[in-house]
Amino acid sequence: NAGVMQNPRHLVRRRGQEARLRCSPMKGHSHVYWYRQLPEEGLKFMVYLQKENIIDESGMPKERFSAEFPKEGPSILRIQQVVRGDSAAYFCASSPLENSGNTIYFGEGSWLTVV
Amino acid sequence: KQEVTQIPAALSVPEGENLVLNCSFTDSAIYNLQWFRQDPGKGLTSLLLIQSSQREQTSGRLNASLDKSSGRSTLYIAASQPGDSATYLCAVGGSEKLVFGKGMKLTVNP
Repeated sequence: NAGVMQNPRHLVRRRGQEARLRCSPMKGHSHVYWYRQLPEEGLKFMVYLQKENIIDESGMPKERFSAEFPKEGPSILRIQQVVRGDSAAYFCASSPLENSGNTIYFGEGSWLTVV
Repeated sequence: KQEVTQIPAALSVPEGENLVLNCSFTDSAIYNLQWFRQDPGKGLTSLLLIQSSQREQTSGRLNASLDKSSGRSTLYIAASQPGDSATYLCAVGGSEKLVFGKGMKLTVNP
């Protein structure tokens, strides 16, 4: 059973470009979470999605960031017009149910560098 | 607003020592608490999950305890090994999301 798959693992973008990060949850998991880890900071919650539904996006920056989890295909975290401060590791996680009592499984992360 | 603190931020010890890693949180209304391990440039590996109704969990050389009333958890590592060197993250689970501490970087020297 493959784990949470994220790609690309490493991404370099110039300021002003768009970054798209993809996440395929574990088989059978319908809940996806995105977290961001800034340098020297802990992981911060960004968004929680179920298929075709954004459940909680309270951690998403108000501008330039969006996320989706379509009926078919991976979840996508999209960052438009990237700035240097967006450089971070972006982690996706999945769980079979709400994270009220189940272990949540993390992917290996996508490292975004904005130059 | 839940806040999770891990002190110290880094620890360096000789091989063989028994270690206690500390985690404190401000809001005791939690669903669970998890300890994760993160190796450089890698994702997170879940080590132990303690449900809010539980007091502790054990896996091999690891033992984690939870005291909700005082807002504390400890991760105990017995007979530390160089392979235990990593960053250890404590995360408190609410209904939908985890709140993480900044982590503690552990170095076990041979």
